[in-house]
Amino acid sequence: GAVVSQHPSWVICKSGTSVKIECRSLDFQATTMFWYRQFPKQSLMLMATSNEGSKATYEQGVEKDKFLINHASLTLSTLTVTSAHPEDSSFYICSARDLPTGGSEQYFGPGTRLTVT
Amino acid sequence: KNQVEQSPQSLIILEGKNCTLQCNYTVSPFSNLRWYKQDTGRGPVSLTIMTFSENTKSNGRYTATLDADTKQSSLHITASQLSDSASYICVVSPSGTYKYIFGTGTRLKVLA
Repeated sequence: GAVVSQHPSWVICKSGTSVKIECRSLDFQATTMFWYRQFPKQSLMLMATSNEGSKATYEQGVEKDKFLINHASLTLSTLTVTSAHPEDSSFYICSARDLPTGGSEQYFGPGTRLTVT
Repeated sequence: KNQVEQSPQSLIILEGKNCTLQCNYTVSPFSNLRWYKQDTGRGPVSLTIMTFSENTKSNGRYTATLDADTKQSSLHITASQLSDSASYICVVSPSGTYKYIFGTGTRLKVLA
């Protein structure tokens, strides 16, 4: 149980284009989803927290207009990197939490490798 | 400032050997301390979860200890295997929040 998937697993896009990453909770309803970014040899950095049906809360220094997050259903959240630049190349990981049944436990997705050329 | 520091930064051991990874934190008070294994290019996978009142928790060849007085935790890996090669991340959750504070990680490489 508590499986989180991400799609795509990797993506290459050209500078200036936008790319969408999906995060799905497969066997539970995710009241809250988290988006993290991880640069090589560094730990995960929280970008934003989204609760189903409401606007995402972004961490300090994360541009909300650049990283658009939508959490329209209890099983799906999307992260759209708009006007991507090479410095946005990173490993993006989502996690999901089902507060009523799972408490504070976050279940992580397998990650999406984004390369901007 | 809430911080989680891990040591060593990287470690190379021979297959079959034991090793211990360290985690020092300043998060206080905290509700849970977790250890995760992250394979290269994959998301973190939970190994152990301890509340502030627990001293030790095992999961197969992985044993985590916690000393809340000194704010230290360790992860001991017994009889290492090649598949143990990964990054190990210590994560502390401050009391009253849902957030995870991630440690800097230890990259372990197990050689045949």
